[in-house]
Amino acid sequence: QVQVVQSGAEVKKPGASVKVSCKASGYTFTSYYMHWVRQAPGQGLEWMGIINPSDGTTTYAQNFQGRVTMTRVPSTSTVYLDLSSLRSEDTAVYYCVRGGFGRDYYYYGVDVWGQGTTVTVSS
Amino acid sequence: QTVVTQEPSLTVPPGGTVTLTCASSTGAVTSGYYPNWIQQKPGQAPRPLIYSTSNKHSWTPARFSGSLLGGKATLTLSGVQPEDEAEYYCLLYYGGTYVFGTGTKVTVL
Repeated sequence: QVQVVQSGAEVKKPGASVKVSCKASGYTFTSYYMHWVRQAPGQGLEWMGIINPSDGTTTYAQNFQGRVTMTRVPSTSTVYLDLSSLRSEDTAVYYCVRGGFGRDYYYYGVDVWGQGTTVTVSS
Repeated sequence: QTVVTQEPSLTVPPGGTVTLTCASSTGAVTSGYYPNWIQQKPGQAPRPLIYSTSNKHSWTPARFSGSLLGGKATLTLSGVQPEDEAEYYCLLYYGGTYVFGTGTKVTVL
């Protein structure tokens, strides 16, 4: 079945970086876009960005420009989220979410969500 | 900074009908924003319900429907069940980027 499985929880100090992985299975990895979304404790969902696993092109939300990097390794069907210069406000659950496919990927929205990775930033 | 606004909370009796709305600070929401609706229950990962305004995923119950009305995207729950109590988020596409709505807490009471 289609699934995306994320790496485990992380605890980081302010100023550090974190790298979260998301391994896809059950479908052709390079055909579907992948989003990253986060949710701070007790807060709503926040869209961080999107990557095209086929060619690695990315679009990031303005709030994260300069601090976020999304990459992919097609041979392992894995996408990565790198977030740098961490601060306490980055404490959140981070989700990878499968998007649509093809040129009109935006039509298909989002469907499969990872289980979430808790990132805690604390001194 | 684009803001997508939803009702903070709504209450509906079991078996009733409730409509949630999703408005954009940039103006009227049209089909070109490809609205998505996503349900989240406490302690669980979000679950998508609707994509591109009105299209249902294979797992979406028939009582959920999406549309556009009065410049907003809407999600209507008909014949509400106790298990529909949850937070609901809309997600809009802005030509390359996306923005989530502020979320609506639906209480079944």
